[in-house]
Amino acid sequence: EIVLTQSPGTLSLSPGERATLSCRASQNIDRDYLAWYQHKPGQAPRLLIYGTSSRATGIPDRFSGSGSGTDFTLTISRLEPEDFAVYYCQEYDFSPPTWTFGQGTKVEIQ
Amino acid sequence: QVQLQESGPGLVKPSETLSLTCAVSGSSISSGYYWGWIRQPPGKGLEWIATIYPSGSTYYNPSLKSRVTISADTSKRHFSLKLGSVTAADMALYYCARAKISMGPAFDYWGQGTLVTVSS
Repeated sequence: EIVLTQSPGTLSLSPGERATLSCRASQNIDRDYLAWYQHKPGQAPRLLIYGTSSRATGIPDRFSGSGSGTDFTLTISRLEPEDFAVYYCQEYDFSPPTWTFGQGTKVEIQ
Repeated sequence: QVQLQESGPGLVKPSETLSLTCAVSGSSISSGYYWGWIRQPPGKGLEWIATIYPSGSTYYNPSLKSRVTISADTSKRHFSLKLGSVTAADMALYYCARAKISMGPAFDYWGQGTLVTVSS
């Protein structure tokens, strides 16, 4: 069973700053199977990135994903006020099919 | 426009079975997608519960497998979750979601969630 560990737990930043969120897996992950979500209170989670680096429909290009092996990163180039939220990484393992989420990183306004 | 809507009792007694249904509109519930349930206990993160492929294949979180059943009715375009022997630890916001196989398969559409309380 793969465990995803996200860091930091909380990131305190100001609008306009760059956010770098980390997701580390307990074993190698296929790049095709790593996704990132944004979650705000009272809303459904929103898919941001799939396949490590592909933006989902309608996602602004200030969001980007990268990584390989066990280390993956979500970068928000310039934080907008609406970007303050909790972010989760998620991986898919195909044998057998299972989905695993990281514990989340909260991006809060400094 | 793809929409998912969860429904079911908001209150379940300890030791009883939680039953939820997700109605799907704007999308076929047939091949190309998995359909799943994810939950978020109060103050905690997201936890995947179960997923079904319309062919009938089902997949469960190993930690919940003994208590969970997922099923789908493709003709009615809905899928369901049953979680037995609930305890306070099962109190959570339950989401249904679609996972597109060509996207990872990441969950690209989600319902708004339904809050389930476990109490006598």
